[in-house]
Amino acid sequence: GNSVTQMEGPVTLSEEAFLTINCTYTATGYPSLFWYVQYPGEGLQLLLKATKADDKGSNKGFEATYRKETTSFHLEKGSVQVSDSAVYFCALNQGGSEKLVFGKGTKLTVNP
Amino acid sequence: GAVVSQHPSWVICKSGTSVKIECRSLDFQATTMFWYRQFPKQSLMLMATSNEGSKATYEQGVEKDKFLINHASLTLSTLTVTSAHPEDSSFYICSACTGQSSYNEQFFGPGTRLTVL
Repeated sequence: GNSVTQMEGPVTLSEEAFLTINCTYTATGYPSLFWYVQYPGEGLQLLLKATKADDKGSNKGFEATYRKETTSFHLEKGSVQVSDSAVYFCALNQGGSEKLVFGKGTKLTVNP
Repeated sequence: GAVVSQHPSWVICKSGTSVKIECRSLDFQATTMFWYRQFPKQSLMLMATSNEGSKATYEQGVEKDKFLINHASLTLSTLTVTSAHPEDSSFYICSACTGQSSYNEQFFGPGTRLTVL
């Protein structure tokens, strides 16, 4: 079945540090891939997405590239801010299905 | 656009009572809505998928008689936790699909924190 594996946290960084959160997936066919962010006490917000191989999703300085050869969708940001502190979830859905499969989430804390 | 609301945002109830949580799509019609449960420091667990006018499809291990889902219209789905117990305390999140996205994007509500005493 489909599954998503992302690096376990928590991750603690200083402001302006470089961020990478690894995400790999297992799926048949060609899934769409997503990163969601959950700020404290809130629901999930879509951060970025990629729907086919080699697509790069980007938003708010975050980027992730759909790598079919390595089945990965790692999240990166060149310079994190305190306001980026949140839990980040990698997810996929299989073409034609509305169901999302989530990774376990990675908590990021950015200190000033 | 694509805003999903939940009500209430938090609720505290006594053991044995029932609690209803509403999920509304404010500016679009949702062909499908999903209900998730999130435990502390864990991922989201899909509980059920609901389509307007039909019975919800529950995931394996979710008690459908305990978690009643009604999708009465294209903008409203409700989750009722019946005879709640402390172990039902959790963060419940709904999401909705417009059915118009090529990749079936889900829009999430802000969640409802349920505490059962």
